[in-house]
Amino acid sequence: NAGVMQNPRHLVRRRGQEARLRCSPMKGHSHVYWYRQLPEEGLKFMVYLQKENIIDESGMPKERFSAEFPKEGPSILRIQQVVRGDSAAYFCASSPPTGWEQYFGPGTRLTVT
Amino acid sequence: QQQVKQSPQSLIVQKGGIPIINCAYENTAFDYFPWYQQFPGKGPALLIAIRPDVSEKKEGRFTISFNKSAKQFSLHIMDSQPGDSATYFCAARGAGSNYKLTFGKGTLLTVNP
Repeated sequence: NAGVMQNPRHLVRRRGQEARLRCSPMKGHSHVYWYRQLPEEGLKFMVYLQKENIIDESGMPKERFSAEFPKEGPSILRIQQVVRGDSAAYFCASSPPTGWEQYFGPGTRLTVT
Repeated sequence: QQQVKQSPQSLIVQKGGIPIINCAYENTAFDYFPWYQQFPGKGPALLIAIRPDVSEKKEGRFTISFNKSAKQFSLHIMDSQPGDSATYFCAARGAGSNYKLTFGKGTLLTVNP
């Protein structure tokens, strides 16, 4: 059973470009969460999605950030017009419909130059 | 506002020692408390978790102690090994339909041979 998959693992973008981060949850998992980790910091919740629904986006910056989890395909975290402060590791986690545990992917390390 | 406070920031023990990492929380609505282990460049891996109706849980060399009245919980690693050297994060989850995790800032554990 494959774990949570994220791609790309590393992404370099210039200021002003767009970044698209993808997450495929574990098989059977329908809940997806995105977290951001800054250097020397813990993980900060960004958004919680179920298939075709955003359940909680209270941790998402109001501008430039968006997330989706379509009926088919991976969940996407999209950052428009990236700035240096967006440089971080972005982790996706998934959980089953009735489970407590969240399992994390390997992360995407975004560097904005 | 940091809702989960973790200490110490870093910890060095000798092989065979028993490192203890502590976390405290304020929000009495939290109902699930996992611990994650993270190696450099990797995603957090779920180690062990506890719910407030239990005061202690053991899985292999890892033990969680939970004090509901004090709103504190801790991770103990028995017979620690150099391979346990990693960053450990405690987390807490709110009750209800929102399953987002609130993380502590992490503890960097070094186990010397």
